[in-house]
Amino acid sequence: AQTVTQSQPEMSVQEAETVTLSCTYDTSENNYYLFWYKQPPSRQMILVIRQEAYKQQNATENRFSVNFQKAAKSFSLKISDSQLGDTAMYFCAFSNNAGNMLTFGGGTRLMVKP
Amino acid sequence: KAGVTQTPRYLIKTRGQQVTLSCSPISGHRSVSWYQQTPGQGLQFLFEYFSETQRNKGNFPGRFSGRQFSNSRSEMNVSTLELGDSALYLCASSLASRTSGNEQFFGPGTRLTVL
Repeated sequence: AQTVTQSQPEMSVQEAETVTLSCTYDTSENNYYLFWYKQPPSRQMILVIRQEAYKQQNATENRFSVNFQKAAKSFSLKISDSQLGDTAMYFCAFSNNAGNMLTFGGGTRLMVKP
Repeated sequence: KAGVTQTPRYLIKTRGQQVTLSCSPISGHRSVSWYQQTPGQGLQFLFEYFSETQRNKGNFPGRFSGRQFSNSRSEMNVSTLELGDSALYLCASSLASRTSGNEQFFGPGTRLTVL
């Protein structure tokens, strides 16, 4: 079974600064997918970024980028130029090669301060 | 395109009752997954349906069941409700253009309270 661990329950960052959220996972599989999802206070979960394990290049989406270290089983999210709208719960998630089942980490509550 | 819709949004039940939650995926999406979100256990996968077949199942008791219809709409049912079933139940749909690893689009959830 896969496990996903987010070691930072809460973080805060000043507006316009950069913050990195940590995620580690454990799996014996070689081909899998990793995600960061954002859940704002309104509760609708949305995808931030997606990484395919067989791709060595780190995924980027505008201000969001990941540092994917497959050997270390680490998948951190970097948010550059933080905005107030980035305030949310962030979940790291793992999906294997057998469907769309997501295993989530416990989440990191991020507060962006003005 | 309309997003994932879930009905009802809020529900209050008493112990021992049963409940049915509904999820309408984004048009064209064939995969529907269900998750339970609680403060104590976090987000946990319940099951995934693809083309009316259960493709994956999480570690939940048999009281939790689901189904998917030919139009991809899905329902989940919880029988003999327990206090611990109080949670936000999230539905997510996916285009499923690939077998796995697809982006999932989440609905707003159904908040179930068991008294």
